[in-house]
Amino acid sequence: DIQMTQSPSSLSASVGDRITMTCRASHFISAYVNWYQQKPGKAPKLLIFAASNLQSGVPSRFSGSGSGTDFTLTIDSLEPEDFATYFCQQTYISPPWTFGQGTKLE
Amino acid sequence: QEQLVQSGPEVRKPGASVNISCTASRDTFSNSYVHWVRQAPGQGLEWVGLMNPHDRSATFAQKFQGRFSMTREPSTSTVHLELRTLRSEDTAVYFCASGIGYNYGPPYWGQGTLVTVSS
Repeated sequence: DIQMTQSPSSLSASVGDRITMTCRASHFISAYVNWYQQKPGKAPKLLIFAASNLQSGVPSRFSGSGSGTDFTLTIDSLEPEDFATYFCQQTYISPPWTFGQGTKLE
Repeated sequence: QEQLVQSGPEVRKPGASVNISCTASRDTFSNSYVHWVRQAPGQGLEWVGLMNPHDRSATFAQKFQGRFSMTREPSTSTVHLELRTLRSEDTAVYFCASGIGYNYGPPYWGQGTLVTVSS
C-alpha cells in the first residue's frame, strides 16, 4: 500500500497568517491527491482534488500544488473558521486509497 | 446538492455483526462511487472500501476483506455496509461518501455512524 506522511503533525498560526502543510507519498502517485478539512464531530470536507483543483464552494484562499510524491496545501490569510485538522489522501490508479495522519491547525 | 443520511449509532458485543446504511437524497448511486471511511476515537481517517456503481462490485482494504461487505438497494438509493465478527478495534465512526470520479476524492459525505463494540 502507498503510505502518506503529513507534516507537521500540528501547526500554530494566527488569523491572517499564510500557512503551508505538506504530504509525501511513499511511491509515485502523479497528481492523485485530495485534501480534506475536518472539524471536531463533523464529516471531512473535500477542499482540493487532483492536487490543485479547488472543489466547488471552497474559498479561493485554499490552494494545492505538487506532483509525483510531494504535495502542499496552502491557506492564504487564515480565517477563524480555518482552524481544524487537515488530511491528505491518495487515489492513484486503484484502492486502497490511503490517508495521511493529519495536520492539526491551531 | 446531494445529501447523504446515515443510520443511527449501534452497540454490539465482540463477535456480533452490524449493518449500517447510507441513503442519498437525490442520486440513486447509479452513477456515483460510494466510499466508506472510518475514524476511531481521537484518531485519523482510515479508508475502508468502495462500491463501483456500474457493476455494484465492492473493493475493500485488505484488512477488512472477508469480514466487511457492501450492498446497494437501487429502489431506495441506499448502500449498506455490513461488519461481521466485530472486534473492539472496530469501534469507530463510519462515514459514507459519494462522488462520480473514480480517482478523485468524494465531495458528498454522510454525517457518520458510531459503531461501538464492547462486552
